[in-house]
Amino acid sequence: SAVISQKPSRDICQRGTSLTIQCQVDSQVTMMFWYRQQPGQSLTLIATANQGSEATYESGFVIDKFPISRPNLTFSTLTVSNMSPEDSSIYLCSGIGAIPNTEAFFGQGTRLTVV
Amino acid sequence: AQTVTQSQPEMSVQEAETVTLSCTYDTSESDYYLFWYKQPPSRQMILVIRQEAYKQQNATENRFSVNFQKAAKSFSLKISDSQLGDAAMYFCAYRSSGNQFYFGTGTSLTVIP
Repeated sequence: SAVISQKPSRDICQRGTSLTIQCQVDSQVTMMFWYRQQPGQSLTLIATANQGSEATYESGFVIDKFPISRPNLTFSTLTVSNMSPEDSSIYLCSGIGAIPNTEAFFGQGTRLTVV
Repeated sequence: AQTVTQSQPEMSVQEAETVTLSCTYDTSESDYYLFWYKQPPSRQMILVIRQEAYKQQNATENRFSVNFQKAAKSFSLKISDSQLGDAAMYFCAYRSSGNQFYFGTGTSLTVIP
């Protein structure tokens, strides 16, 4: 399976600022996803990153707050904009290949704390 | 929409014993894929085992095996000879034909020495 390098692994940010999280995959993937996860809880899908076009956002998440880019099949970024303490969470990127029975693979996660 | 339910928020097992984690799901699809993931404190999601819905045979990976009951929409994970390194959060996941993933709420497994 592919390997995703996600960075930063953690950050502490001031409210009102923005943070961009990057994910680099070591092979081409058909779909990439961005999740948010509160410690000890399940994953909540933020959006599906589409190559060369606007991401598809889930209910409750908007592009102005979480702009996503995916310029090619191996790279994507998520920006958390105008942060508030409520944005403190773990953010995970994930990718899947074209073969139907393959699993999703994940980056190492970014633990974000907004103060 | 598909839903995945894990009814056990927390489980514990003695080292070297066997534990079973439960998962049920709801779907109208006939072709889909099921997974169990492990997430240790390092946050890295690690694939434990996968099951294709069209396969009747239960998947096995070393000490990990599943009991897949398609009609009952049940997909439990059995961990045999539990080790301290098995302590983690375990998530059941469903991959739809549209390539969306749905995750359960997770089961926190403690292994008691």
